[in-house]
Amino acid sequence: AQSVTQLDSQVPVFEEAPVELRCNYSSSVSVYLFWYVQYPNQGLQLLLKYLSGSTLVKGINGFEAEFNKSQTSFHLRKPSVHISDTAEYFCAVSGAGTASKLTFGTGTRLQVTL
Amino acid sequence: GAVVSQHPSWVICKSGTSVKIECRSLDFQATTMFWYRQFPKQSLMLMATSNEGSKATYEQGVEKDKFLINHASLTLSTLTVTSAHPEDSSFYICSVSSGAVGTDTQYFGPGTRLTVL
Repeated sequence: AQSVTQLDSQVPVFEEAPVELRCNYSSSVSVYLFWYVQYPNQGLQLLLKYLSGSTLVKGINGFEAEFNKSQTSFHLRKPSVHISDTAEYFCAVSGAGTASKLTFGTGTRLQVTL
Repeated sequence: GAVVSQHPSWVICKSGTSVKIECRSLDFQATTMFWYRQFPKQSLMLMATSNEGSKATYEQGVEKDKFLINHASLTLSTLTVTSAHPEDSSFYICSVSSGAVGTDTQYFGPGTRLTVL
């Protein structure tokens, strides 16, 4: 079984400032890692994913994340945020394999202000 | 990625009635679909895994007789909330799994807001 911890429930940040959303996971098997974004009253949109290979993963909207196996982390970063990045961000993990179930973190609300 | 639709996007019903929610994979044949529910300001909770042509696998604590799942084709799965009550009010989201070995990724529908009066 896997679990995901997103320690920050809310992250306020000014526009054009950098941001890091933290995600730690635990698992007894190899994992796939994902970041999803959810805008109000909408489903989830995949930002990026780590399956294997390079530990630095680049996604959409200028986001990137780095897989750190020794620290069991997969933090999400963006060098300069925009107002439109205000949303809920979910980190998720699945056991590596076909059609594995996703386990989600509790989410981090990114609030970007002027 | 796969494009997933849900219908309806929102529904209001009276207590005791049943509501059916459809999840369609528009450009991908999905042998596996997942159903989640999300309470306000909370994370997604997996309810069940829907496999085409077979019975769904429900997570612990989810009543299979209350939340009926049918996955009759590779592009359609339905969730029926039977005898709905106010506590069933929630945001229901489906996802499809790419299922390809080594690229296992889920793509989510836009969700269905259910309000039971």
